[in-house]
Amino acid sequence: GAGVSQSPSNKVTEKGKDVELRCDPISGHTALYWYRQSLGQGLEFLIYFQGNSAPDKSGLPSDRFSAERTGGSVSTLTIQRTQQEDSAVYLCASSLVGWAIPQPGELFFGEGSRLTVL
Amino acid sequence: GQQLNQSPQSMFIQEGEDVSMNCTSSSIFNTWLWYKQDPGEGPVLLIALYKAGELTSNGRLTAQFGITRKDSFLNISASIPSDVGIYFCAGLAYNTDKLIFGTGTRLQVFP
Repeated sequence: GAGVSQSPSNKVTEKGKDVELRCDPISGHTALYWYRQSLGQGLEFLIYFQGNSAPDKSGLPSDRFSAERTGGSVSTLTIQRTQQEDSAVYLCASSLVGWAIPQPGELFFGEGSRLTVL
Repeated sequence: GQQLNQSPQSMFIQEGEDVSMNCTSSSIFNTWLWYKQDPGEGPVLLIALYKAGELTSNGRLTAQFGITRKDSFLNISASIPSDVGIYFCAGLAYNTDKLIFGTGTRLQVFP
């Protein structure tokens, strides 16, 4: 499709297991963002990629969280040793360019990956 | 994580009524954005504001970039059932790539 694609759409896992969430941005978009949305909460910034590099990882909640992006395209968010408080919807967004320019590119969001940790 | 203060948290209104919501920050932002999220979907951009004092409309939606650059407002006139959803403000500080979102306003419209 033409939009941002995320998988899996739903993931139920047991506490302590590792999970990988995938984001396929819109083709040609250089900037990629990960956000977390807990139940009834706003969007919490996790990490931002420009190309394959991550200039800002300040939002990652702990060292159990990591993310990478390869080929300037697909990104994977990995959560190790999941905890119940990790349960949330993880949203990925991409834009044609990053924001630190006079005309920021519009952010296009995927539908999210809903993670439930039992 | 860092979030903007957005109010009200939720609104229950009758079809045809006008709606106002706002977002405040302790920091100055150079860009303010307003998004809408439908159930099971990602947020979609409604309005973007780039200058202090700017007032921009998109159909029945009007948003303003506060003069202090620390707040923004969104108004929806003559609400309809399809306006139901969660509205988020988002701000971008100068020369950064981190878009900070508000806590959201959940809107319910009754016919």
